[in-house]
Amino acid sequence: NAGVTQTPKFRVLKTGQSMTLLCAQDMNHEYMYWYRQDPGMGLRLIHYSVGEGTTAKGEVPDGYNVSRLKKQNFLLGLESAAPSQTSVYFCASSYTAGSYNEQFFGPGTRLTVL
Amino acid sequence: AQSVAQPEDQVNVAEGNPLTVKCTYSVSGNPYLFWYVQYPNRGLQFLLKYITGDNLVKGSYGFEAEFNKSQTSFHLKKPSALVSDSALYFCAVRALAGNTGKLIFGQGTTLQVKP
Repeated sequence: NAGVTQTPKFRVLKTGQSMTLLCAQDMNHEYMYWYRQDPGMGLRLIHYSVGEGTTAKGEVPDGYNVSRLKKQNFLLGLESAAPSQTSVYFCASSYTAGSYNEQFFGPGTRLTVL
Repeated sequence: AQSVAQPEDQVNVAEGNPLTVKCTYSVSGNPYLFWYVQYPNRGLQFLLKYITGDNLVKGSYGFEAEFNKSQTSFHLKKPSALVSDSALYFCAVRALAGNTGKLIFGQGTTLQVKP
């Protein structure tokens, strides 16, 4: 049981390049989330999904797109990377949205945009 | 609007002493509150949560948190700090709007436990 995994762990992009971050969970969780972590700002929600085939915008969605074609995978895309997207990205999942259910986090992807 | 505040960027404690990491919240209705810990270069790990019931919640690694409705606080505590407790701690509240499970995080508090 690997929990939540993220690929890649590190990436350096040039401004304008594109990339996709992959999140996979093996806990059969319905809900999945993408956050970015910046110093002094905590975690901010980018996009989330409440089930296979569904996605919704979070707090800071601009410049990102997501897809949830399979229940276990949640992809985060950057179509044209900008230096402001330099951050650490975390994926999380939870069984349902119920109050009792905490989120499980992946190890993170450190992205630098030059 | 819902929000979470962690008023201290850093807390320094000597090993063996009690520690407190502060968190205050602002929500309408009953809050659902969480504490997470992040060790260097790792993802967040769940510590404990308050949903309802006893105001003192016990969690992992000997941590506990006290919910205080009148002061809108949910402070994290441990009776005797360990050097290995040094990490970044996040308080979070569940967003009540919609059934999405979204969490609103505080900005984090770095705990430094010195030998």
